Amino acid sequence: ETGVTQTPRHLVMGMTNKKSLKCEQHLGHNAMYWYKQSAKKPLELMFVYNFKEQTENNSVPSRFSPECPNSSHLFLHLHTLQPEDSALYLCASSQNAGSNGYTFGSGTRLTVV
Amino acid sequence: AQSVTQLGSHVSVSEGALVLLRCNYSSSVPPYLFWYVQYPNQGLQLLLKYTSAATLVKGINGFEAEFKKSETSFHLTKPSAHMSDAAEYFCAVSDPSGNTPLVFGKGTRLSVIA
Repeated sequence: ETGVTQTPRHLVMGMTNKKSLKCEQHLGHNAMYWYKQSAKKPLELMFVYNFKEQTENNSVPSRFSPECPNSSHLFLHLHTLQPEDSALYLCASSQNAGSNGYTFGSGTRLTVV
Repeated sequence: AQSVTQLGSHVSVSEGALVLLRCNYSSSVPPYLFWYVQYPNQGLQLLLKYTSAATLVKGINGFEAEFKKSETSFHLTKPSAHMSDAAEYFCAVSDPSGNTPLVFGKGTRLSVIA
């Protein structure tokens, strides 16, 4: 148990579907992150939330839409994805924007067909 | 700006041999440094971290790393590799002020040969 829980663990969706990834942390952290990890590519930081406010959006396509209703929950809403969006999506949390490191969830393996 | 360079995308060692994974950093301020491990289809797990205390840091699973300011390095070592050490390893650097997200290296895949 890492303290950061991601659901679902695996997701297969068509290009016209709408789905959401969920991340939950009970560590009392005040920052949460979405990362994309594709095969043979570096970790890509997608979104950062500090105290529920989005502070970073690294040129992510609008087909990815984050939501942070409170400091414990983070969602990634997906719609009209492309096959190249297939990847492992990792959620992480930290206290004070990461000066003591991040705690990661186990990830959601997304396949777009 | 901060950056991390991991030398070697793939390292292969024999079981029982020394593990050495290299990480060099660039930072305009005294950094905090981290090593993470990732097993297949899992998230990243913190191995160890340097936060300006002792320069030799011991982590989980027998790993350790030494912060060398003169060499801007934070290499990860383990005296004797186990088959279970086969995984992807990531070095990361952070600004102690917490104003910017962690910056990760590209990762090094460690293979352990029986």
